[in-house]
Amino acid sequence: DQQVKQNSPSLSVQEGRISILNCDYTNSMFDYFLWYKKYPAEGPTFLISISSIKDKNEDGRFTVFLNKSAKHLSLHIVPSQPGDSAVYFCAANDGGSNYKLTFGKGTLLTVNP
Amino acid sequence: DARVTQTPRHKVTEMGQEVTMRCQPILGHNTVFWYRQTMMQGLELLAYFRNRAPLDDSGMPKDRFSAEMPDATLATLKIQPSEPRDSAVYFCASGSGTSYTEAFFGQGTRLTVV
Repeated sequence: DQQVKQNSPSLSVQEGRISILNCDYTNSMFDYFLWYKKYPAEGPTFLISISSIKDKNEDGRFTVFLNKSAKHLSLHIVPSQPGDSAVYFCAANDGGSNYKLTFGKGTLLTVNP
Repeated sequence: DARVTQTPRHKVTEMGQEVTMRCQPILGHNTVFWYRQTMMQGLELLAYFRNRAPLDDSGMPKDRFSAEMPDATLATLKIQPSEPRDSAVYFCASGSGTSYTEAFFGQGTRLTVV
């Protein structure tokens, strides 16, 4: 049973446009959410995070939005660049001290020049 | 250049054989994670160590998988006997234990069991 769901396996956008990656979760105990980015043949790298006390966190071109009532979060990339092409993983934690993250299956983003 | 080092990068083995994957965490990091990535499940946590002690290995099939940290510079994940369903990319990550953002992933070991 997937507690963190990324229902779009892939997304393709044009350079300069907005990329929106979505993530849904089912566990109401999750209170911290992260996005990781993964290039081929490399490990995931942390991108941006958000605590459940916020509904938005912005870092440069990347913004994460959290809708707790809908148990939904999204990652916006504006403007998208070809170098953003990668697999993006959504992850969540339930606030325990063990730093255990539950990941989604990932969304492959392709930004076309 | 501090990084998590995993060996081997690729491993092809026959069903029933023992497989050992190794991880050298970043020097000074006291937290080590083992993850498995498959198409069906995405990234799953297999085991979690802090100060070399296993704190959570609930994600690991106990009958065939084992994870250890013989010392602070080496973490191992062993599968015995291996099965085709174990084919996946196995990632090790290390951190200082203070923040998720400080967990650094290695490049992974791609395991194929035939």
